[in-house]
Amino acid sequence: QQQVKQSPQSLIVQKGGISIINCAYENTAFDYFPWYQQFPGKGPALLIAIRPDVSEKKEGRFTISFNKSAKQFSLHIMDSQPGDSATYFCAASKGPAGGTSYGKLTFGQGTILTVHP
Amino acid sequence: ETGVTQTPRHLVMGMTNKKSLKCEQHLGHNAMYWYKQSAKKPLELMFVYNFKEQTENNSVPSRFSPECPNSSHLFLHLHTLQPEDSALYLCASSQDGSGSSYEQYFGPGTRLTVT
Repeated sequence: QQQVKQSPQSLIVQKGGISIINCAYENTAFDYFPWYQQFPGKGPALLIAIRPDVSEKKEGRFTISFNKSAKQFSLHIMDSQPGDSATYFCAASKGPAGGTSYGKLTFGQGTILTVHP
Repeated sequence: ETGVTQTPRHLVMGMTNKKSLKCEQHLGHNAMYWYKQSAKKPLELMFVYNFKEQTENNSVPSRFSPECPNSSHLFLHLHTLQPEDSALYLCASSQDGSGSSYEQYFGPGTRLTVT
């Protein structure tokens, strides 16, 4: 059962543009929503994360927008650069009410981002 | 060495072979994870160890056998694998597996090809 749905599968953006990747989840027990960035030949690296008590979190050019009622969250990359070209994964994790699933990440399918110079 | 390291980085094995993947974390964490990453599929959690005890086996076939001798080392023993087991196997660690620290740190992975 796919609990976190990510779109689009691939995205092409021009340098300086805004990249937007969306994720939707089903389980209301999720309370931690990270985004990971993966370059070829490397493991995923934590980029930015949000909890449902805030609607937006910004770190540099990267912003997470969170809509709790819609059960959706998105990653915005402002002023996209060729060096941002990578695969991006959203994920979700349950809090203490999640029982044995507490802290375990469920990943989306990934988005391959290409930023053209 | 820093972070999470994995060896070997690439492995080609026949279906009758026995091999092992190794993961080591240098972060002082207490929880370690094995994930399988296949093309066009989400990362699949395979096993979780928390303070050397296995706390999760995500319905993984018995041809995959994990071992965690201490909180810094994690192994994945492989035997009689199938071609569909070819994938990138990722190791990760976190402060602990109870969720008090959600941040997981990944190694670079082992690219496994089963022939």
